Amino acid sequence: DVKVTQSSRYLVKRTGEKVFLECVQDMDHENMFWYRQDPGLGLRLIYFSYDVKMKEKGDIPEGYSVSREKKERFSLILESASTNQTSMYLCASSRASSGANVLTFGAGSRLTVL
Amino acid sequence: AQTVTQSQPEMSVQEAETVTLSCTYDTSESDYYLFWYKQPPSRQMILVIRQEAYKQQNATENRFSVNFQKAAKSFSLKISDSQLGDAAMYFCLLTQGGSEKLVFGKGTKLTVNP
Repeated sequence: DVKVTQSSRYLVKRTGEKVFLECVQDMDHENMFWYRQDPGLGLRLIYFSYDVKMKEKGDIPEGYSVSREKKERFSLILESASTNQTSMYLCASSRASSGANVLTFGAGSRLTVL
Repeated sequence: AQTVTQSQPEMSVQEAETVTLSCTYDTSESDYYLFWYKQPPSRQMILVIRQEAYKQQNATENRFSVNFQKAAKSFSLKISDSQLGDAAMYFCLLTQGGSEKLVFGKGTKLTVNP
């Protein structure tokens, strides 16, 4: 069974802390994505990566950075967490594509910043 | 710019009845794909059904079917014989051929009443 695994389901951090959200996929997918999910706003793309060490900004990259040193792992970094970054974060992966390929999602990481 | 609109933030249906979730989209591309994803409460997002724009035949997966009206840019999801396990957020997704550009709708929360 193919999987996208997010390291933490629930995190509580303090304002100003550095936060790492890890995502690992075992499907040898080229593409990996980080989304933020908020009620009424749907899913908003933060960053995506189409290859190792490659990344592109999504719709809301401010306050976030990413790292993809290995094909299977895509990390989301909040350099200095703020309360407005309290949210559900979803990682997803897919094959390099034509747009036809199915996204596989992780279970999500719910981050609370106090 | 590509857009996806889900005009029903919430829907409810009685168990065993049929419900239709609406999705309209806008794109200038001719090569694109449409998906419905389901996110049960506190569980990960999974694919429900996929439609290639070049195919005229509506996709069907067991109790789930779509009504794809290409000229009207409409892609509705019909759930027949609704079950309690169908209760979830449903997201409509538009992807472009030859691109990693993905556009999600804001979601529809479906409640299934026993």
